[in-house]
Amino acid sequence: KNQVEQSPQSLIILEGKNCTLQCNYTVSPFSNLRWYKQDTGRGPVSLTIMTFSENTKSNGRYTATLDADTKQSSLHITASQLSDSASYICVVSLSNTGKLIFGQGTTLQVKP
Amino acid sequence: GAGVSQSPSNKVTEKGKDVELRCDPISGHTALYWYRQSLGQGLEFLIYFQGNSAPDKSGLPSDRFSAERTGGSVSTLTIQRTQQEDSAVYLCASSSRTGLMNTEAFFGQGTRLTVV
Repeated sequence: KNQVEQSPQSLIILEGKNCTLQCNYTVSPFSNLRWYKQDTGRGPVSLTIMTFSENTKSNGRYTATLDADTKQSSLHITASQLSDSASYICVVSLSNTGKLIFGQGTTLQVKP
Repeated sequence: GAGVSQSPSNKVTEKGKDVELRCDPISGHTALYWYRQSLGQGLEFLIYFQGNSAPDKSGLPSDRFSAERTGGSVSTLTIQRTQQEDSAVYLCASSSRTGLMNTEAFFGQGTRLTVV
């Protein structure tokens, strides 16, 4: 069964601290993996995309990694800001149909 | 249009009534997705349209739910005989496809459905 599991479910950190969010997937055939950020009351917005051959990709203070062998991805946030408070969703795409498989998300709260 | 547009943005309906939710995807996007999100929960897949292929309806929770996509563009999600558990935000997203890879999915702002 195609599944995407994320951990932790929720996380609270102090402003300025770093954090890492995890994503494990059992999706086949794999096309790509994206991390989305969803602010409260808004639709998700893509942060970064990882394809099979990519191990790491950065977007500002966000760095995503992908281990295609173990089927794990992580999203590392550096020097967190209050505006980073949101849900972070890991999404894996099937290569045969293009269908997106969503994780349940990690809710991050950054406190001053 | 510039982005994915959903209407209405809010809908309050009485239990047992039918509702129609509309999604206008980004022009040229061949893939269209419907999800719903209950308060504080993750996104629940409902249905996926990709070009002219038969839609993937595996996420529809019951036969009260149906969706169509006319002319490969606008989509309508219909919920018949609404129940209180149908209350959620219904999100639509669209993306295009290059080879075996879908581009980023762009989401609309959602329709907040409240069944009273």
